Amino acid sequence: QVQLVQSGAEVKKPGASVKVSCKASGYTFTAYYIYWVRQAPGQGLEWVGWINPSSGDTNSAQKFQGRVTLTSDTSISTAYMEMSRLTSDDTAVYYCARDRPPDYWGQGSLVTVSS
Amino acid sequence: EIVLTQSPGTLSLSPGERATLSCRASQSFGSSYLAWYQQKPGQAPRLLIYGASIRATGIPDRFSVSGSGTDFTLTISRLEPEDFAVYYCQQFGWSPTFGQGTKVEIK
Repeated sequence: QVQLVQSGAEVKKPGASVKVSCKASGYTFTAYYIYWVRQAPGQGLEWVGWINPSSGDTNSAQKFQGRVTLTSDTSISTAYMEMSRLTSDDTAVYYCARDRPPDYWGQGSLVTVSS
Repeated sequence: EIVLTQSPGTLSLSPGERATLSCRASQSFGSSYLAWYQQKPGQAPRLLIYGASIRATGIPDRFSVSGSGTDFTLTISRLEPEDFAVYYCQQFGWSPTFGQGTKVEIK
């Protein structure tokens, strides 16, 4: 069965970077995009970006451009989202999901930014 | 960026009633790039319907969509207890965006 398993919760200080991983199983990793979506506490969904693991092509929301890096390692079927220069506004649950539109979702990774 | 505005913010209904959720876009886009999700507290979103009324795996036919251009509607024909949740619309073109969500709560 399709599974996306994300890395655990992180606590970071303002200005730091965080890297969240998303390990896929149960399907051909290079056949589907990986989406990244975040959700701040009590708020709605916000698209962060996507990566095509087959080509390495990426696109991210304009507000994150220059601050987010999306990568993937096809040898271990894992996608990564790294966000730099964190502020308290980046405190959120970060989800990875498969395909466009996303049909399978990871369990979410809570990133807390606090001094 | 295409801004999606959902209404109402909250819908208070009883089981068995019909729910009509609206999603309005700031500019026209093809309905083949529209998706709807359901989210319950503490859970990841669940894909319901995308494209031209394509229901995701396991989604019952009481969920349907209509509309085109800038105005789209998700209809739940008869609310079941498990349908009370938050619903999001999304356009999943080159630069996707989500609506802010509609909460369907028990009246």
